[in-house]
Amino acid sequence: GAGVSQSPSNKVTEKGKDVELRCDPISGHTALYWYRQSLGQGLEFLIYFQGNSAPDKSGLPSDRFSAERTGGSVSTLTIQRTQQEDSAVYLCASSSRGGGWNGYTFGSGTRLTVV
Amino acid sequence: GQQLNQSPQSMFIQEGEDVSMNCTSSSIFNTWLWYKQDPGEGPVLLIALYKAGELTSNGRLTAQFGITRKDSFLNISASIPSDVGIYFCAGGQGGSEKLVFGKGTKLTVNP
Repeated sequence: GAGVSQSPSNKVTEKGKDVELRCDPISGHTALYWYRQSLGQGLEFLIYFQGNSAPDKSGLPSDRFSAERTGGSVSTLTIQRTQQEDSAVYLCASSSRGGGWNGYTFGSGTRLTVV
Repeated sequence: GQQLNQSPQSMFIQEGEDVSMNCTSSSIFNTWLWYKQDPGEGPVLLIALYKAGELTSNGRLTAQFGITRKDSFLNISASIPSDVGIYFCAGGQGGSEKLVFGKGTKLTVNP
């Protein structure tokens, strides 16, 4: 597609429920990233996929968070047993090659609210 | 971990004024990038800097990559209402695929 697409744009869920957030990167982009943006905060790195390499999961805050990328394209970020502190905007980005040299193209994000 | 200290946290200016914001770090970065985020949107790349000392312009925006590779600034000249948003700096280390982001500068422009 023309840009990075994320769905849903907004999600309200009850504490304890599982949620799945979807990201469609730009076609042909081999690198895909998930970041979290809490209110008034910067962007917190969560996970990075590059081609067929093992993902860099070093930013995932707990084992309730996981992500997969199927077929080198679409990615799903799953949060199990959601907590109120998980409320944030989850941003997905993709780039045309690994590394920060070209910068990322971000999606519009999914605003998650845990009540 | 690595951190970028971005300042100021917020700015309130009159239309037509110039704006300056900066980022500093205790770590060396090989790439500095500046992003702007509009409400409800993801950040959009404004300027990318790849070489220490580099000064790059994009319209009314000018950014510089510090000589020490530990800092960068962004200037906006003759601000207009559509400059409103949150500006983020980001550092990359080439070979590391994760960008480190500052906490942002929220800019408000009064017409």
